Amino acid sequence: DVKVTQSSRYLVKRTGEKVFLECVQDMDHENMFWYRQDPGLGLRLIYFSYDVKMKEKGDIPEGYSVSREKKERFSLILESASTNQTSMYLCASSLGWGQGAVQPQHFGDGTRLSIL
Amino acid sequence: RKEVEQDPGPFNVPEGATVAFNCTYSNSASQSFFWYRQDCRKEPKLLMSVYSSGNEDGRFTAQLNRASQYISLLIRDSKLSDSATYLCVVYPGGGSTLGRLYFGRGTQLTVWP
Repeated sequence: DVKVTQSSRYLVKRTGEKVFLECVQDMDHENMFWYRQDPGLGLRLIYFSYDVKMKEKGDIPEGYSVSREKKERFSLILESASTNQTSMYLCASSLGWGQGAVQPQHFGDGTRLSIL
Repeated sequence: RKEVEQDPGPFNVPEGATVAFNCTYSNSASQSFFWYRQDCRKEPKLLMSVYSSGNEDGRFTAQLNRASQYISLLIRDSKLSDSATYLCVVYPGGGSTLGRLYFGRGTQLTVWP
């Protein structure tokens, strides 16, 4: 079974802090993703990566950055946390795509982040 | 226009009922389709892939209609444990999307005793 592990289930930080969310997958997946999920808005893609040191902006990258130094680890960084970044953050991974098809994504348990 | 659109519901059905959800997608060249299930305050989990010929997994049947650009999920003999939010997921394809999936906002289902 694919295992995607997020470093914290619950996290409370203060406005202006630099916040790191870590995600590790154990299935040698090429693709990794960071989403946030808010009531009524569904999943929104922040950033994704299809290879080590590669990153692509999703739909809402402002205020975030990412790092992928190793294939199994994808970090999300809130440069200066703000209250509107209070949310559920979900990491996912998937195998690389090819032949016009794509593999499904597997999610971690999520991190509930509160910014006070 | 959103890539994927779903009726948010909620759908409230009694145990044993049959319920169906539809989902429409905007890109006619979309290549891969999935249904995910998400329980309250949990992560989304893959329920099933959707194949061109339609496919069944126990009480769950998924179908794809390329001409009308929608996919459907049919749940027969609903159980209390089927209560969840069901997410429609589409891969539009093309090099620019780089393997990312597009998630609908989900359809909420509650099965009552």
